Amino acid sequence: GESVGLHLPTLSVQEGDNSIINCAYSNSASDYFIWYKQESGKGPQFIIDIRSNMDKRQGQRVTVLLNKTVKHLSLQIAATQPGDSAVYFCAENNAGNMLTFGGGTRLMVKP
Amino acid sequence: EAGVTQFPSHSVIEKGQTVTLRCDPISGHDNLYWYRRVMGKEIKFLLHFVKESKQDESGMPNNRFLAERTGGTYSTLKVQPAELEDSGVYFCASSQRSGRAHYEQYFGPGTRLTVT
Repeated sequence: GESVGLHLPTLSVQEGDNSIINCAYSNSASDYFIWYKQESGKGPQFIIDIRSNMDKRQGQRVTVLLNKTVKHLSLQIAATQPGDSAVYFCAENNAGNMLTFGGGTRLMVKP
Repeated sequence: EAGVTQFPSHSVIEKGQTVTLRCDPISGHDNLYWYRRVMGKEIKFLLHFVKESKQDESGMPNNRFLAERTGGTYSTLKVQPAELEDSGVYFCASSQRSGRAHYEQYFGPGTRLTVT
């Protein structure tokens, strides 16, 4: 698969538990942050975003937290399901141009 | 509505050969981006088109890479001559021109390039 040769930190959780994936970003001027999910053989898929003037945003089963003081972003997934197994990337965006991606975290959900 | 499509899905070429990757963005999306992930590294930006114009090509690694978007529709990324370190997955993404949707980039499935 696509991840061959790519060594990622892995988070292993039990089905039904909550998952928290963390990310540190680099540019204090970034005004927009996104979490992407990537399944094997597919491109990154948008999950949720947050603007820099917010510190929390909730979606369906997902919550993103932004701490600008320490330049930290987290993704919380409630009641994790097997279908949530994937690689998760945070990305920062400045002025609508290029995305700068973090290294990614592999989430494995045990049934 | 069709998403971003990329062709081929996988290409295996020998060092020194030429390869051309194609991306078809979502219809109506003026912004088109190329990214890649090489062995063991994170996804990195290559360049950004607005319609047919190159807005930002700061991520292009060297002059062996040439991107075009004639007519402002599909885009091609040519690697000539390919080197071993070019192996990786090349992603294309597109987004609308303005508004909040300007930020939301939709990705294609990627082209896996293997240079031997």
